[in-house]
Amino acid sequence: EAGVTQFPSHSVIEKGQTVTLRCDPISGHDNLYWYRRVMGKEIKFLLHFVKESKQDESGMPNNRFLAERTGGTYSTLKVQPAELEDSGVYFCASGRGPYGYTFGSGTRLTVV
Amino acid sequence: KNEVEQSPQNLTAQEGEFITINCSYSVGISALHWLQQHPGGGIVSLFMLSSGKKKHGRLIATINIQEKHSSLHITASHPRDSAVYICAVIRASGTYKYIFGTGTRLKVLA
Repeated sequence: EAGVTQFPSHSVIEKGQTVTLRCDPISGHDNLYWYRRVMGKEIKFLLHFVKESKQDESGMPNNRFLAERTGGTYSTLKVQPAELEDSGVYFCASGRGPYGYTFGSGTRLTVV
Repeated sequence: KNEVEQSPQNLTAQEGEFITINCSYSVGISALHWLQQHPGGGIVSLFMLSSGKKKHGRLIATINIQEKHSSLHITASHPRDSAVYICAVIRASGTYKYIFGTGTRLKVLA
């Protein structure tokens, strides 16, 4: 089966611009997670979708971040407007059940 | 203090050496996951443990639930093992989100 696909793999944007990251989960995986790693820190949870519903968005840092999952398929994470501290690697993961999900390769976001 | 601590943070070994990476956590968990990330690559799952020991090739993972501690061992290390190894736990209660350690950066020299 195809893995979890994220794009772009890299994005460099200026402070104040908008960026949209996309995640295509493995087909049939109802659970989709977004995580983020900022420089030198551990990976941290952002939010969890079950199908199209947000199950837990307690990790979203502020209202500049908006995540959607259209029809329970792919998901997007929009940052608007981007700030310098948003730089990091954004990972998506998907799974059928709650455990043992598959991670994508991540999107490296650099805000300059 | 992080709820998941890994040691060491950085490790350099010679090819063939036996390597141990440790993970301690302070919360009740339902599962612990060892992950690997190569430079520029995605995250790959190595093991998911809730008790005991698992082995896959040259990799061995153990967990002691009472002591809230897990170890990842690499036998006969090879330069291709160079990567960041990450410990992540799922809380025993609440949603199924992972809590991650900061990772151990391993470099194996030929």
